[in-house]
Amino acid sequence: KAGVTQTPRYLIKTRGQQVTLSCSPISGHRSVSWYQQTPGQGLQFLFEYFSETQRNKGNFPGRFSGRQFSNSRSEMNVSTLELGDSALYLCASTIRGGDLGNEQFFGPGTRLTVL
Amino acid sequence: GENVEQHPSTLSVQEGDSAVIKCTYSDSASNYFPWYKQELGKGPQLIIDIRSNVGEKKDQRIAVTLNKTAKHFSLHITETQPEDSAVYFCAAISYSSASKIIFGSGTRLSIRP
Repeated sequence: KAGVTQTPRYLIKTRGQQVTLSCSPISGHRSVSWYQQTPGQGLQFLFEYFSETQRNKGNFPGRFSGRQFSNSRSEMNVSTLELGDSALYLCASTIRGGDLGNEQFFGPGTRLTVL
Repeated sequence: GENVEQHPSTLSVQEGDSAVIKCTYSDSASNYFPWYKQELGKGPQLIIDIRSNVGEKKDQRIAVTLNKTAKHFSLHITETQPEDSAVYFCAAISYSSASKIIFGSGTRLSIRP
């Protein structure tokens, strides 16, 4: 069974631009969560989508948004990029949604660098 | 706000010895505590988890203990091997209102040959 895939793996943007990251969950998994990982702030939860609906949300500004498609693939978007948005963005999938207490399978992440 | 404190931030042990990583959480509504291992260039991987109705769980060389009264939980790795070298994260999940997951800051474990 294929794992969680994320594209692109690496991305370089400049301040003020916007970016869209993609995540394909494990086949059969309907929930996708997004995380930001930085050396300073560690791993932080962004949001979770299940059946095309955002079920849970972390404490990030509205510049961070996401969506989920009917095939469970998910995208996250960051608008008006800031230097502090440079991070590894991880996505994780699980079978059930709305309940983060299920085993989450992480993808390899997208490394975003904002110049 | 809620947080999870993880110690130590770095840990170096001799191959074959044991390693212990400790976490403390603040949200008393937390009831699920996973541990993740992250190797270089990869996403975190769940290695063991424990729920609040259990005090200890073991899986081969890895064990986790939970003290709900003290809001402490710990990861124990016995007979450490070189492949155990990685960054380990604890996390606490709360269902008080909506699901919320908070990670510890990570422990970089190095196994000395």
